[in-house]
Amino acid sequence: QSALTQPASVSGSPGQSIAISCTGTNSDVGGYNYVSWYQHHPGKAPKLIIYDVNNRPSGVSDRFSGSKSGNTASLTISGLQAEDEADYYCNSCTTSNTLLFGGGTKLTVL
Amino acid sequence: QVQLVESGGGVVRPGRSLRLSCSASGFTFRSYAMHWVRQAPGKGLEWVAVISDDGTKKYYADSVKGRFTIFRDNSNNVAYLQMNSLRAEDTALYYCAKRLGTWALGDWGQGTLVTVSS
Repeated sequence: QSALTQPASVSGSPGQSIAISCTGTNSDVGGYNYVSWYQHHPGKAPKLIIYDVNNRPSGVSDRFSGSKSGNTASLTISGLQAEDEADYYCNSCTTSNTLLFGGGTKLTVL
Repeated sequence: QVQLVESGGGVVRPGRSLRLSCSASGFTFRSYAMHWVRQAPGKGLEWVAVISDDGTKKYYADSVKGRFTIFRDNSNNVAYLQMNSLRAEDTALYYCAKRLGTWALGDWGQGTLVTVSS
């Protein structure tokens, strides 16, 4: 199974909005509404920020939002802040009852 | 609150075995599927395996199928990852994670480092 496709890096200035895409196939992203997004600061445990395409866990800022169209899911971060600088990963369940991660996207806040 | 603590990592030679443990507290362990996820040095996250709440269903990534076994002890709130026939490419920080909803990984431990080297 190949990893889901994410851009290697994105950047934005404080206050701006950015979007990170996550492209899969009909067997994963396109087949289920079980796409999740994780924020990962180096040296810390990953943190779930979006689940089931567009749901936020309790305590996660509403600056984070998710969506999906066909085989591509997207994470949008609005009102960028310095602390948003991190690696972001998407994942999706698959037809094989497994999970597949994207390759990760490094967000730089300029 | 939810706490997941991994242990059992270390340095091991290629071809040898290692068993990782994930001790859980702060929630009803027997009610949740548990996952293992790893991150090789300088690489992204890679899902490894999942076990259902009652331990009857287990699924694995192709990269570890046939070599790794996931199991759990619901009496003692521990999930395990038995890793056999280890390879250099299994070198990684291994996290355990608790399910949220159907397939999301809602809570994570801090990880335990496995290094496979001769």
